Amino acid sequence: DAGVIQSPRHEVTEMGQEVTLRCKPISGHDYLFWYRQTMMRGLELLIYFNNNVPIDDSGMPEDRFSAKMPNASFSTLKIQPSEPRDSAVYFCASRLLTGGSAFFGQGTRLTVV
Amino acid sequence: GQQVMQIPQYQHVQEGEDFTTYCNSSTTLSNIQWYKQRPGGHPVFLIQLVKSGEVKKQKRLTFQFGEAKKNSSLHITATQTTDVGTYFCAGQVGNMLTFGGGTRLMVKP
Repeated sequence: DAGVIQSPRHEVTEMGQEVTLRCKPISGHDYLFWYRQTMMRGLELLIYFNNNVPIDDSGMPEDRFSAKMPNASFSTLKIQPSEPRDSAVYFCASRLLTGGSAFFGQGTRLTVV
Repeated sequence: GQQVMQIPQYQHVQEGEDFTTYCNSSTTLSNIQWYKQRPGGHPVFLIQLVKSGEVKKQKRLTFQFGEAKKNSSLHITATQTTDVGTYFCAGQVGNMLTFGGGTRLMVKP
Protein backbone atom coordinates (compact mmCIF):
# COMPACT_ATOMS: atom_id res chain seq x y z
CA ASP A 1 0.00 0.00 0.00
CA ALA A 2 1.28 3.47 -0.83
CA GLY A 3 0.11 4.86 2.48
CA VAL A 4 -2.14 7.86 2.96
CA ILE A 5 -1.94 10.08 -0.09
CA GLN A 6 -2.65 13.79 0.03
CA SER A 7 -2.79 16.33 -2.73
CA PRO A 8 -1.63 18.86 -3.47
CA ARG A 9 1.59 18.92 -1.42
CA HIS A 10 1.75 22.68 -1.60
CA GLU A 11 -0.93 25.24 -2.34
CA VAL A 12 -0.58 28.99 -2.57
CA THR A 13 -3.77 30.91 -3.07
CA GLU A 14 -5.13 34.39 -2.74
CA MET A 15 -7.42 35.42 0.07
CA GLY A 16 -11.04 34.83 -0.82
CA GLN A 17 -10.36 31.90 -3.14
CA GLU A 18 -11.75 28.43 -2.60
CA VAL A 19 -9.25 25.75 -1.63
CA THR A 20 -9.83 22.00 -1.82
CA LEU A 21 -7.49 19.53 -0.17
CA ARG A 22 -7.69 15.85 -1.05
CA CYS A 23 -6.94 12.66 0.78
CA LYS A 24 -6.87 8.98 -0.10
CA PRO A 25 -6.71 6.85 3.06
CA ILE A 26 -5.12 3.44 3.34
CA SER A 27 -7.40 0.82 1.85
CA GLY A 28 -9.47 -0.95 4.50
CA HIS A 29 -9.05 1.70 7.18
CA ASP A 30 -12.25 2.65 8.94
CA TYR A 31 -11.31 6.05 10.34
CA LEU A 32 -10.17 9.15 8.53
CA PHE A 33 -8.95 12.27 10.32
CA TRP A 34 -8.19 15.80 9.19
CA TYR A 35 -5.66 17.77 11.26
CA ARG A 36 -4.27 21.26 10.99
CA GLN A 37 -0.78 22.08 12.27
CA THR A 38 0.63 25.52 13.01
CA MET A 39 3.49 26.69 15.17
CA MET A 40 1.12 28.56 17.43
CA ARG A 41 -1.59 25.93 17.94
CA GLY A 42 0.22 22.66 17.28
CA LEU A 43 -1.67 19.68 15.87
CA GLU A 44 -5.42 20.30 15.94
CA LEU A 45 -8.05 17.70 15.08
CA LEU A 46 -10.57 19.30 12.72
CA ILE A 47 -12.93 16.43 11.92
CA TYR A 48 -12.98 12.67 11.71
CA PHE A 49 -15.04 10.11 9.83
CA ASN A 50 -15.94 6.53 10.67
CA ASN A 51 -16.95 4.45 7.67
CA ASN A 52 -17.40 7.62 5.62
CA VAL A 53 -19.74 9.22 8.18
CA PRO A 54 -18.63 12.42 9.93
CA ILE A 55 -18.53 11.70 13.65
CA ASP A 56 -17.08 14.79 15.26
CA ASP A 57 -16.57 18.12 13.50
CA SER A 58 -16.26 20.21 16.64
CA GLY A 59 -12.71 21.11 15.68
CA MET A 60 -13.72 22.75 12.42
CA PRO A 61 -12.92 26.39 13.05
CA GLU A 62 -15.69 28.07 11.09
CA ASP A 63 -18.44 27.57 8.55
CA ARG A 64 -15.87 28.38 5.90
CA PHE A 65 -14.50 24.88 6.47
CA SER A 66 -16.29 21.80 5.21
CA ALA A 67 -15.26 18.17 4.77
CA LYS A 68 -16.75 15.29 2.86
CA MET A 69 -16.06 11.63 2.42
CA PRO A 70 -18.15 10.41 -0.51
CA ASN A 71 -16.62 6.93 -0.41
CA ALA A 72 -14.15 4.84 1.53
CA SER A 73 -11.20 5.86 -0.60
CA PHE A 74 -11.54 9.62 -0.85
CA SER A 75 -12.07 12.66 1.31
CA THR A 76 -11.90 16.41 0.75
CA LEU A 77 -11.43 19.39 3.01
CA LYS A 78 -12.69 22.61 1.54
CA ILE A 79 -12.11 26.18 2.67
CA GLN A 80 -14.33 28.82 1.11
CA PRO A 81 -13.45 31.66 1.23
CA SER A 82 -9.87 31.22 2.37
CA GLU A 83 -8.14 33.72 4.68
CA PRO A 84 -4.46 34.30 5.51
CA ARG A 85 -4.99 32.83 9.01
CA ASP A 86 -5.86 29.51 7.37
CA SER A 87 -2.23 29.15 6.35
CA ALA A 88 -0.99 25.91 7.90
CA VAL A 89 -0.04 22.34 7.13
CA TYR A 90 -3.11 20.14 6.80
CA PHE A 91 -2.69 16.44 7.50
CA CYS A 92 -4.98 13.58 6.72
CA ALA A 93 -4.61 10.35 8.70
CA SER A 94 -6.33 6.99 8.72
CA ARG A 95 -6.49 4.00 11.05
CA LEU A 96 -8.36 0.78 11.64
CA LEU A 97 -11.47 0.51 13.79
CA THR A 98 -9.78 -2.15 15.89
CA GLY A 99 -7.09 0.24 17.01
CA GLY A 100 -3.43 0.43 16.24
CA SER A 101 -1.54 3.41 14.99
CA ALA A 102 -2.67 6.35 12.89
CA PHE A 103 -0.99 6.67 9.52
CA PHE A 104 -0.46 10.22 8.35
CA GLY A 105 -0.19 11.55 4.85
CA GLN A 106 2.66 13.86 3.95
CA GLY A 107 0.45 16.88 4.41
CA THR A 108 -0.59 19.86 2.32
CA ARG A 109 1.19 23.11 3.07
CA LEU A 110 -1.35 25.84 2.47
CA THR A 111 -0.35 29.48 2.13
CA VAL A 112 -3.07 32.08 1.75
CA VAL A 113 -1.78 35.48 0.69
CA GLY B 1 -13.69 15.47 26.97
CA GLN B 2 -10.44 13.62 27.12
CA GLN B 3 -7.31 15.77 27.30
CA VAL B 4 -3.71 14.79 26.79
CA MET B 5 -1.03 17.19 27.99
CA GLN B 6 2.63 17.03 27.12
CA ILE B 7 5.58 18.76 28.69
CA PRO B 8 7.84 20.44 27.96
CA GLN B 9 6.74 22.18 24.76
CA TYR B 10 10.33 22.76 23.70
CA GLN B 11 13.70 21.38 24.76
CA HIS B 12 17.17 22.39 23.65
CA VAL B 13 19.91 19.91 24.50
CA GLN B 14 23.57 19.55 23.71
CA GLU B 15 24.36 16.50 21.63
CA GLY B 16 25.08 13.64 24.00
CA GLU B 17 22.75 14.85 26.74
CA ASP B 18 19.64 12.95 27.71
CA PHE B 19 16.09 14.08 26.96
CA THR B 20 12.70 13.22 28.45
CA THR B 21 9.18 14.20 27.47
CA TYR B 22 6.16 13.55 29.66
CA CYS B 23 2.57 12.88 28.76
CA ASN B 24 -0.45 13.08 31.08
CA SER B 25 -4.04 12.15 30.40
CA SER B 26 -7.15 13.36 32.20
CA THR B 27 -8.64 9.87 31.86
CA THR B 28 -7.41 6.29 32.11
CA LEU B 29 -6.14 5.09 28.77
CA SER B 30 -6.47 1.74 27.05
CA ASN B 31 -3.12 2.36 25.40
CA ILE B 32 -0.66 5.11 24.61
CA GLN B 33 1.19 5.66 21.36
CA TRP B 34 4.24 7.73 20.52
CA TYR B 35 4.98 9.45 17.23
CA LYS B 36 7.93 11.37 15.85
CA GLN B 37 7.67 14.19 13.34
CA ARG B 38 10.91 15.27 11.68
CA PRO B 39 11.16 18.92 10.61
CA GLY B 40 9.14 19.34 7.45
CA GLY B 41 7.73 15.83 7.75
CA HIS B 42 4.64 14.13 9.06
CA PRO B 43 4.05 12.27 12.33
CA VAL B 44 5.29 8.69 12.14
CA PHE B 45 4.31 5.98 14.59
CA LEU B 46 7.08 4.81 16.92
CA ILE B 47 5.51 2.48 19.48
CA GLN B 48 2.41 1.51 21.43
CA LEU B 49 2.23 0.66 25.14
CA VAL B 50 -0.74 -1.25 26.47
CA LYS B 51 -0.03 -2.72 29.89
CA SER B 52 0.12 -0.88 33.19
CA GLY B 53 3.75 -0.16 34.09
CA GLU B 54 5.00 -1.34 30.70
CA VAL B 55 8.49 -0.35 29.60
CA LYS B 56 9.73 -0.73 26.05
CA LYS B 57 13.04 0.15 24.47
CA GLN B 58 14.06 1.03 20.95
CA LYS B 59 17.84 1.49 20.89
CA ARG B 60 18.41 4.75 22.80
CA LEU B 61 14.69 5.40 23.31
CA THR B 62 12.88 4.16 26.42
CA PHE B 63 9.10 4.36 26.69
CA GLN B 64 7.16 3.94 29.93
CA PHE B 65 3.47 3.63 30.69
CA GLY B 66 2.38 4.58 34.19
CA GLU B 67 0.86 2.17 36.66
CA ALA B 68 -2.45 4.03 36.55
CA LYS B 69 -2.36 4.14 32.73
CA LYS B 70 -2.78 7.91 32.78
CA ASN B 71 0.76 9.00 32.10
CA SER B 72 3.72 8.07 29.97
CA SER B 73 7.24 9.18 29.23
CA LEU B 74 9.78 8.95 26.45
CA HIS B 75 13.43 9.12 27.39
CA ILE B 76 16.26 9.43 24.89
CA THR B 77 19.74 8.58 26.10
CA ALA B 78 22.72 10.44 24.63
CA THR B 79 20.83 12.47 22.04
CA GLN B 80 22.10 12.75 18.50
CA THR B 81 21.33 15.33 15.84
CA THR B 82 19.15 12.74 14.13
CA ASP B 83 16.81 12.84 17.13
CA VAL B 84 15.70 16.35 16.20
CA GLY B 85 11.96 16.66 15.72
CA THR B 86 8.66 16.85 17.55
CA TYR B 87 7.57 13.91 19.68
CA PHE B 88 3.86 13.37 20.18
CA CYS B 89 2.08 11.07 22.54
CA ALA B 90 -1.45 9.93 21.71
CA GLY B 91 -3.77 8.36 24.23
CA GLN B 92 -6.53 5.96 23.27
CA VAL B 93 -9.87 5.74 25.06
CA GLY B 94 -12.40 3.53 23.35
CA ASN B 95 -11.92 4.14 19.66
CA MET B 96 -10.75 7.72 20.14
CA LEU B 97 -7.08 8.61 19.82
CA THR B 98 -6.18 12.02 21.29
CA PHE B 99 -2.82 13.61 20.55
CA GLY B 100 -0.82 15.65 23.00
CA GLY B 101 0.62 19.00 21.98
CA GLY B 102 4.05 17.55 21.29
CA THR B 103 7.55 18.29 22.54
CA ARG B 104 9.91 19.86 20.07
CA LEU B 105 13.47 18.62 20.57
CA MET B 106 16.39 20.63 19.27
CA VAL B 107 19.90 19.20 19.50
CA LYS B 108 23.01 21.35 19.34
CA PRO B 109 25.97 19.57 17.76
